[in-house]
Amino acid sequence: GAVVSQHPSWVICKSGTSVKIECRSLDFQATTMFWYRQFPKQSLMLMATSNEGSKATYEQGVEKDKFLINHASLTLSTLTVTSAHPEDSSFYICSARTGLAGGISETQYFGPGTRLLVL
Amino acid sequence: GQNIDQPTEMTATEGAIVQINCTYQTSGFNGLFWYQQHAGEAPTFLSYNVLDGLEEKGRFSSFLSRSKGYSYLLLKELQMKDSASYLCAVMDSNYQLIWGAGTKLIIKP
Repeated sequence: GAVVSQHPSWVICKSGTSVKIECRSLDFQATTMFWYRQFPKQSLMLMATSNEGSKATYEQGVEKDKFLINHASLTLSTLTVTSAHPEDSSFYICSARTGLAGGISETQYFGPGTRLLVL
Repeated sequence: GQNIDQPTEMTATEGAIVQINCTYQTSGFNGLFWYQQHAGEAPTFLSYNVLDGLEEKGRFSSFLSRSKGYSYLLLKELQMKDSASYLCAVMDSNYQLIWGAGTKLIIKP
């Protein structure tokens, strides 16, 4: 149980294009999904938190107009990197949790990640 | 401020035991998580502690002392595949996860 998928796993795009990444919880309903970014040999950096049906909460320094998050259902969240530039190249990872009852239900389960390379 | 401290890197020998420590200072406490992250992959959940004491799960055990703001992850009978980064994360009073920077564990034959 607690499987999270991400698509695509790899994307290479030209500078200026937009890229959409999907995150799905396959066997549970995720009340909350998280988007992280990780640069090589660095720790996870939380970008934003999204709850189904409401606007995402972005961390300080993350441009909400550049990183568009849509949490359309309890099993799907999307991150769109708009007008991508080479400095946006990174490993993007989503996670999901049910968070319905506190405790261990707050466990975040991670998708396999998406590697973005902007040329 | 909120802070999670864990060693940056540790080295151990195959077959041995290693203990990875994590100390924390957070606004409130709703549990502590350990994750394993292999290079180039996403983190995978290892353990959750919310009460003091030791939780054992196969070769891995996790310990928590809330009064000391301290946890450790104990790995026994180390295998080469255990080479990875180990992330400590604490859930604060707002149910937000505060992440440590991770401990890179290097296993030598």
